[in-house]
Amino acid sequence: GQNIDQPTEMTATEGAIVQINCTYQTSGFNGLFWYQQHAGEAPTFLSYNVLDGLEEKGRFSSFLSRSKGYSYLLLKELQMKDSASYLCAPQGGATNKLIFGTGTLLAVQP
Amino acid sequence: NAGVMQNPRHLVRRRGQEARLRCSPMKGHSHVYWYRQLPEEGLKFMVYLQKENIIDESGMPKERFSAEFPKEGPSILRIQQVVRGDSAAYFCASSPVGTYANEKLFFGSGTQLSVL
Repeated sequence: GQNIDQPTEMTATEGAIVQINCTYQTSGFNGLFWYQQHAGEAPTFLSYNVLDGLEEKGRFSSFLSRSKGYSYLLLKELQMKDSASYLCAPQGGATNKLIFGTGTLLAVQP
Repeated sequence: NAGVMQNPRHLVRRRGQEARLRCSPMKGHSHVYWYRQLPEEGLKFMVYLQKENIIDESGMPKERFSAEFPKEGPSILRIQQVVRGDSAAYFCASSPVGTYANEKLFFGSGTQLSVL
């Protein structure tokens, strides 16, 4: 089966750093995606990890530990526009589809 | 280069009616995925289709729901005899070559279905 766990909500201050954790269990694991979704809008791709370690892309970084079934998304220099839901999505199963967690709703405060 | 197009953006149906949701993938993409999102919940996988083929329908309810992706035209998600519990946002996503490693999905803006 597949199970994904991430915090429901987080709050952070503009200019700060926030880390959003995700633990997962999925058969045939083949990588993990992070998506951002603003209310009422389409999810948009942020990052992808398949090997252990940190992938950095501007203000956003994502880390993966395959042996621990663990990933995190790190957001630096937070801006008000970063207020959104962040969706952890491991890829796996018989057809290698993306399975999404419930998402973490991040509120950035001034 | 248009993105994934979904229509209608909003759809209102009465209980017992049929709902037809359309999705045109990005140009050059031949793989389509449908997800359902209930308020304050995550995206739930429904079905994965390639042109004229259903690859994975493990997330589709056994009754009233069907999906197709014909050789020509958009992918259609069809819900027969809708009930209030079908009210949700339905997102379509596409990719060029299917769910190979690191092949990210591009999402449409969704169809918000409201059942009265």
